[in-house]
Amino acid sequence: DTGVSQDPRHKITKRGQNVTFRCDPISEHNRLYWYRQTLGQGPEFLTYFQNEAQLEKSRLLSDRFSAERPKGSFSTLEIQRTEQGDSAMYLCASSATVLGGYTFGSGTRLTVV
Amino acid sequence: TQLLEQSPQFLSIQEGENLTVYCNSSSVFSSLQWYRQEPGEGPVLLVTVVTGGEVKKLKRLTFQFGDARKDSSLHITAAQPGDTGLYLCAGALRNAGNMLTFGGGTRLMVKP
Repeated sequence: DTGVSQDPRHKITKRGQNVTFRCDPISEHNRLYWYRQTLGQGPEFLTYFQNEAQLEKSRLLSDRFSAERPKGSFSTLEIQRTEQGDSAMYLCASSATVLGGYTFGSGTRLTVV
Repeated sequence: TQLLEQSPQFLSIQEGENLTVYCNSSSVFSSLQWYRQEPGEGPVLLVTVVTGGEVKKLKRLTFQFGDARKDSSLHITAAQPGDTGLYLCAGALRNAGNMLTFGGGTRLMVKP
């Protein structure tokens, strides 16, 4: 297993465009998380899946954001009508249990121009 | 105000010095984790502490969980340039056990 994979690593988009990011977790992990991190800050929780069910969503996740995890494997995070304030590193993590810790991917850095 | 406050926010020291990073909250956590993050990469787990008063050592790194499970510290002995990075603490709240809340991080630079 190669760990958590995120694609793309970098994305530059114009304001108003839609973007979609993909995360492939560690195959044995049934929990998948999306976080957002801005420069110099810690990661902020966005949403959490257990298998295919989206169990928690942050209030940070406006109606422009949607996440899916069909079949409980990979996950996608879509941002519609991007704004400059969406520019950040989007991190995906997976875990088997909370105590076991998260394994993070390398992130997708989004720049909205 | 963040749920987990880390201090200091920035630390620049010479190789060989000792340092301590603090992670404080008014909330009680069922467990607390420390991660290290390098630029352009995701955080990497260093340790998990669960029991109040617990001390864990990882080579030159010593982690302590407060007795009341509201705070934690990370002490590095004889810091090396390879220790440079962003240190993040993250806690699992007792009523929200499915996800971690992260602190703002301490950015450490160790100069040779």
